[in-house]
Amino acid sequence: DAGVIQSPRHEVTEMGQEVTLRCKPISGHDYLFWYRQTMMRGLELLIYFNNNVPIDDSGMPEDRFSAKMPNASFSTLKIQPSEPRDSAVYFCASSRQDEKLFFGSGTQLSVL
Amino acid sequence: AQSVTQLGSHVSVSEGALVLLRCNYSSSVPPYLFWYVQYPNQGLQLLLKYTSAATLVKGINGFEAEFKKSETSFHLTKPSAHMSDAAEYFCAVSKSGGYNKLIFGAGTRLAVHP
Repeated sequence: DAGVIQSPRHEVTEMGQEVTLRCKPISGHDYLFWYRQTMMRGLELLIYFNNNVPIDDSGMPEDRFSAKMPNASFSTLKIQPSEPRDSAVYFCASSRQDEKLFFGSGTQLSVL
Repeated sequence: AQSVTQLGSHVSVSEGALVLLRCNYSSSVPPYLFWYVQYPNQGLQLLLKYTSAATLVKGINGFEAEFKKSETSFHLTKPSAHMSDAAEYFCAVSKSGGYNKLIFGAGTRLAVHP
């Protein structure tokens, strides 16, 4: 099993540009989570999906952030327009019901 | 609402010394509690979990944690630190039951020196 796959590993962009982060969960997992990690705020749960349906997006910081899961094997997190304060490491994680989380290696986002 | 507080953002120990990483929780329901570890440039991995069974929980790599309801604590320990234990450690509580909807603490970075 390849694990949770995130792309890109690193993204550098300019303020105002659109950024799309991608995640492929582990096959058979029906939960998918997006987390953001910063020095100031630690790990924050942004949104999670169950069977491709968004269940809780209360952690999404503002309307500039959106997430989709068009099928069981793919999810995106989009920031439009991006701002310097969005710079962070974004993690995707997946799991089965009542089983542990498996994390991807993260996307390091830098917004200049 | 559920939350966890990790005491000490940085802990430094000598190789072979006791490791103690502190975590206190707040939960309106019987909590599910977890410790995860993050090695450099990697995602988090589960070390151990407490789900209302035995209060002393053993995990991987020689780590264990004890659930103490009276102290609302779930501290992580290891009798003898190894250089490979250097990493960041996160305590987490389940947001609404289960193993995967987690609220994480701020993390504690463990340094191990010779």
